[in-house]
This record gives sequence, C-alpha cells and structure tokens, in this order.
Amino acid sequence: QVQLQESGPGLVKPSQTLSLTCTVSGGSLSSGASYWSWIRQHPEKGLEWIGYVHYSGSTYYNPSLKSRVTISIDTSKNQFSLKMSSVTAADTAVYYCARGGNNFDYWGQGTLVTVSS
Amino acid sequence: DIQMTQSPSTLSASVGDRVTITCRASQNVYSWLAWYQQKAGKAPKLLIYKASSLESGVPSRFSGSGSGTEFSLTISSLQPDDFATYYCQQYNTYYPNSFGQGTKLEIK
Repeated sequence: QVQLQESGPGLVKPSQTLSLTCTVSGGSLSSGASYWSWIRQHPEKGLEWIGYVHYSGSTYYNPSLKSRVTISIDTSKNQFSLKMSSVTAADTAVYYCARGGNNFDYWGQGTLVTVSS
Repeated sequence: DIQMTQSPSTLSASVGDRVTITCRASQNVYSWLAWYQQKAGKAPKLLIYKASSLESGVPSRFSGSGSGTEFSLTISSLQPDDFATYYCQQYNTYYPNSFGQGTKLEIK
C-alpha cells in the first residue's frame, strides 16, 4: 500500500519561501505511472492543482503559479518537494502531495501552511 | 484554462435515495474526467477516472457517465458513509488540471 506524508513548516512569513517535502513509502517513486503532484486547498474552498514532477525530473506547473513554484524529486530518498516563493496570505492552504500527473489515486493526509507575520 | 462547474452546490438527500451530481467543462475534455469524495479533515479519495471507470475498491453504487463537456456522478442508493463533498476534475492533456468547486451532499 502506497503511503504519502507531507512535512515542513506550518507557518511561513509573507514574502518568504514555502518548502514542503513528501515522503513516499510502500512503493518507489520510479515505479508505475511515476508522476507525483502537489495540490492545495484554501480554507473552506475547492482544490487547486499546483504541478507535478516525473521520476525523470521533468516538471509541469499550473501556469497561474508557475513563476513562483519549483517541484523537485529525490529518488534515493523516495521524496519529492515543493518550493513556492514570495508567498502571501493568499497562499494559506492545506497542501497535499499525491500520486499521479492527471488523476490522483493516493494522497497524503495534507498539511496546513499559514502565511502570516 | 478549463473551468469546471458543478451543480448543485449543495444537495440534501436521504439514505437509500438515488442522487446525481453534474459537472460541466468549459471546453471539450473528451473522457478525461475524474470524481473524488472528500470528508471533513481528510484528503480526497478517487472514485471514478476516465469518466466512467470505477477505481478499485470503490462500491459499485457509484457510477460515472458523460463525455465532452457534460458529466455526471450517480450514487444509486445512498449509504450513511456517502455524505461528503464531491469534486470533479478534468485532465485534458493540453491544459492544466482543474477541479470543480465541489458539491456538498447533506443528510435531509
């Protein structure tokens, strides 16, 4: 059974960089469909796809966030990561990591990131 | 980008009812559509992919249909565990993934 777990700071100051890591267990990052995504959900709102990374390292980002987002992968640690720069209060959300590049069959439990000074 | 619009936003129903949620895409997404169920404080759960394919382990009372721009999710006989929020999501290759705004299924 594939499991994903997000980790990282729960509080980030405005204008700083949000950094999260997703650790995958029960499966390899380089197996199967091998696309891995980040998705966020603003409080009491819907879902927004941020982008994905392929195990080869290739990426595809949501154009609405592309200028601020970097997703990377470390297959030796079975982890992939999200960096989002120049954050504002509008980036306060629950951030999920998930398996897949189009539909998403395994998800982490989510981690709340609050942007506040 | 492709906008996804779900209706209704809220649906009140009783155990045993048959319910249908509709999702409309602003452009043709062919059959590249998925449905998710989300309960409070939990991650979404994949129910349906490619418009009508049932994800492994999902009860057969869930079904999906449609293509192009009009899609629906039907629950044939509501169970207590089904009261949750449902989201559609398109994954047309030439556009970024996008989700509908959600439909909250409440107990009547």
